[in-house]
Amino acid sequence: GESVGLHLPTLSVQEGDNSIINCAYSNSASDYFIWYKQESGKGPQFIIDIRSNMDKRQGQRVTVLLNKTVKHLSLQIAATQPGDSAVYFCAEKAGNYGQNFVFGPGTRLSVLP
Amino acid sequence: DTEVTQTPKHLVMGMTNKKSLKCEQHMGHRAMYWYKQKAKKPPELMFVYSYEKLSINESVPSRFSPECPNSSLLNLHLHALQPEDSALYLCASSQLAGVKNEQFFGPGTRLTVL
Repeated sequence: GESVGLHLPTLSVQEGDNSIINCAYSNSASDYFIWYKQESGKGPQFIIDIRSNMDKRQGQRVTVLLNKTVKHLSLQIAATQPGDSAVYFCAEKAGNYGQNFVFGPGTRLSVLP
Repeated sequence: DTEVTQTPKHLVMGMTNKKSLKCEQHMGHRAMYWYKQKAKKPPELMFVYSYEKLSINESVPSRFSPECPNSSLLNLHLHALQPEDSALYLCASSQLAGVKNEQFFGPGTRLTVL
């Protein structure tokens, strides 16, 4: 079946270091991807998105890279802070009018002092 | 206003009870979603409404009954639930088409079925 997955279920980084969270997807028709951050007791919060016609997109301290050849998505967080500790999900959607977002299993990021 | 609100925040119900979850957004989004999220798992899509009409039902048991009274409101009616239905129920909304399809999520309703 089509799925979105992550290579690492947990990631621990030192405060101030850069974090890289990976995501693999298998639906070649997916053309829109979102990274979400979910803190304990809260709903997912949008971080950054990217469309399939792009390879890279940057936000504030975050960068998303898309490699369509190997169906791989990554989220880079620069100068990781304690407030970045959360579970990060990638989600994919196929088609401009599709509404079916499929979430990956998630990566828990822990920032060490 | 870029907020999706959900009520109640917490709900405890017995297996014979009938209850409803409510969701509201005022961003003019014409797509609204219900997700179920178990602990340490990603959100799983349950239902999608487009222009107030049910467009996707991911084979959800009939004890869950969604309703979209208008473009701003989304309800989830619950009846005869099972303990395994205990989860965080998330509502989300998005534009239906166009460049930005990002979903905005509410904080969720934590449901416990006894």
